[in-house]
Amino acid sequence: EAGVAQSPRYKIIEKRQSVAFWCNPISGHATLYWYQQILGQGPKLLIQFQNNGVVDDSQLPKDRFSAERLKGVDSTLKIQPAKLEDSAVYLCASSLATFGTSGNNEQFFGPGTRLTVL
Amino acid sequence: DQQVKQNSPSLSVQEGRISILNCDYTNSMFDYFLWYKKYPAEGPTFLISISSIKDKNEDGRFTVFLNKSAKHLSLHIVPSQPGDSAVYFCAASARSRMDKLVFGAGTILRVKS
Repeated sequence: EAGVAQSPRYKIIEKRQSVAFWCNPISGHATLYWYQQILGQGPKLLIQFQNNGVVDDSQLPKDRFSAERLKGVDSTLKIQPAKLEDSAVYLCASSLATFGTSGNNEQFFGPGTRLTVL
Repeated sequence: DQQVKQNSPSLSVQEGRISILNCDYTNSMFDYFLWYKKYPAEGPTFLISISSIKDKNEDGRFTVFLNKSAKHLSLHIVPSQPGDSAVYFCAASARSRMDKLVFGAGTILRVKS
């Protein structure tokens, strides 16, 4: 079974530039998550999709971050414009369970995209 | 507000001995707890979980203990192996609240051979 794919693996940009990350979840997984992991901290959920609908985006800085999951499969996360404090690893994860069920909530993570904002 | 805390940034253990990683939480709504393991340049991988209706869950060399009254959980690895050297994250969720995971800051485990 193929895992969660993310690209690019690394990205270096200057502040005020734009950047986009792509995620392809495990086939059949209904729920997709984007996390931000700043150095020395644990992953922090930015947004959660179930199929192509947003379940939770309460911690997404909506003035500069946006995300979409077209057709309920792939997802992109965009930052526009980037700030220095956006330097982090952006992790995508997917799970089989859907919101409101009592099924296994195991989340499978991709390798992440390391973003450096100069 | 750190709802999940891992107060030890790092731990060093001799091969063959027990590793004990600790985690504290503050939100009484949390009822499902997980441990993830992360190697450099890779995403976290699920290790073991425990529901609040249990106080212990075991999987091979890994055992998680939950003390609900103390809002504390721990991960025991016995015996520790050099391949266990990684960052370990504790995570918690209140399954009634959309299964959102809240992670601790992680503990770096080094197993010396």
